[in-house]
Amino acid sequence: DADVTQTPRNRITKTGKRIMLECSQTKGHDRMYWYRQDPGLGLRLIYYSFDVKDINKGEISDGYSVSRQAQAKFSLSLESAIPNQTALYFCATSDLGTPGGAFFGQGTRLTVV
Amino acid sequence: AQTVTQSQPEMSVQEAETVTLSCTYDTSESDYYLFWYKQPPSRQMILVIRQEAYKQQNATENRFSVNFQKAAKSFSLKISDSQLGDAAMYFCAFLDSGYALNFGKGTSLLVTP
Repeated sequence: DADVTQTPRNRITKTGKRIMLECSQTKGHDRMYWYRQDPGLGLRLIYYSFDVKDINKGEISDGYSVSRQAQAKFSLSLESAIPNQTALYFCATSDLGTPGGAFFGQGTRLTVV
Repeated sequence: AQTVTQSQPEMSVQEAETVTLSCTYDTSESDYYLFWYKQPPSRQMILVIRQEAYKQQNATENRFSVNFQKAAKSFSLKISDSQLGDAAMYFCAFLDSGYALNFGKGTSLLVTP
C-alpha cells in the first residue's frame, strides 16, 4: 500500500460543482500539504497544515478550502469549481524531525468542464 | 517567500552521456534543505537526491550528484551515464524550517538513443 494515498486519481466535473479531493497517509507525519501542478508553472502550494489545529494558506489558496480531519487525513475542497482549476493536484507529507523531503501521493488529475 | 529558479525549460542528452541541470534559489536563511525530484510520465514525484545546507560535501546517489554552491545559492544536478529511464521532468525544491517545499518550474529532460 502507498504511504500517501489520494482519491480519486482522476475526476471530471462540471463548472459550479463542489468537489473534494482526499488524502490519507500512513507515515505518521505531522505536516501535510496540497500542491497544484500546471504545465510550465511547477508545483504551487495551495494549503499546508503542521498539525490538526494548524492550517495555513499557501500562495494560491483562493477558491480552495481544506480540512484536517485527523493527523492522517487532509482533504481539499473546491466549493464551486471553475475551468481554470483544471490541473494535477498533489498531496504531500513531511516530517522536519527527519528531513527526507516530502512524500507525495500519486496525484489527482482534475478536469473542470 | 523563497524563490527557486530553473533556467532550462528543456534539456537533451544522449544515452551514456552526462547532463547537468541548473537551479538557483534565493533565501536569507542559513539552515535549509535542497532537493531534486523526478517526475516521469507516470506523474509520480520521486525524490532523487537531497542536500543539507550545513554540509559542505556534495550529495551523491549512484549516477546522480549535485554541485552545491552555498555562497552563490546554486544547486545543480549532474546525471552521469544517462539512461532512457532518466527521461522525465526534474524539479528543484527548497525547504526551510518554517515553511513548505518551494519548487522551481521544472526542466524537461529528453534522453536520445
